[in-house]
Amino acid sequence: EPEVTQTPSHQVTQMGQEVILRCVPISNHLYFYWYRQILGQKVEFLVSFYNNEISEKSEIFDDQFSVERPDGSNFTLKIRSTKLEDSAMYFCASGQDRALTEAFFGQGTRLTVV
Amino acid sequence: AQKVTQAQTEISVVEKEDVTLDCVYETRDTTYYLFWYKQPPSGELVFLIRRNSFDEQNEISGRYSWNFQKSTSSFNFTITASQVVDSAVYFCALSDPTGNQFYFGTGTSLTVIP
Repeated sequence: EPEVTQTPSHQVTQMGQEVILRCVPISNHLYFYWYRQILGQKVEFLVSFYNNEISEKSEIFDDQFSVERPDGSNFTLKIRSTKLEDSAMYFCASGQDRALTEAFFGQGTRLTVV
Repeated sequence: AQKVTQAQTEISVVEKEDVTLDCVYETRDTTYYLFWYKQPPSGELVFLIRRNSFDEQNEISGRYSWNFQKSTSSFNFTITASQVVDSAVYFCALSDPTGNQFYFGTGTSLTVIP
């Protein structure tokens, strides 16, 4: 069964450091998403991406964040200068159609900023 | 504005009891999608079901069933004969017709006691 793969599963980084979270979406999917979940809280939308550009982004997705699809298979989320409050579980998702009617989420990357 | 409310923060049941998780949503869209996800202690998001706004038929899948009531804007989830492995956080989510983002509820933490 096809799946979205995220690496690493857990990353610890020092405050102020740059971090890149990686995702390999399902191969024939065209729409890509990042969500995050601060421990014990709800899952929040960060950004959606289609046709090599951002479709929509939330208020959380400020200038510290960027996304890229560097090689046609990976979909990355970069946080330029991490803050303690960036500690969260980050989920990548991909979909074949715009409605994301079958949401395939990755298993998540737990980011801990110390 | 879209909003999903899961009023039950935590529920505990004894194994083999039935349990219903409530979900109430708000949206101005006539077309939308509703979802339930399970988040076990390992942290990943597991897709359970998708419903579009035009399909009010209730659905049963094994021990799981869903009751979609458009008149009350509710999409409740029932687990019959609960098992310890059902212990998890369950999220209800709403997608607008653009599919660009999901709106998650705050989740209900279910503990099934053996």
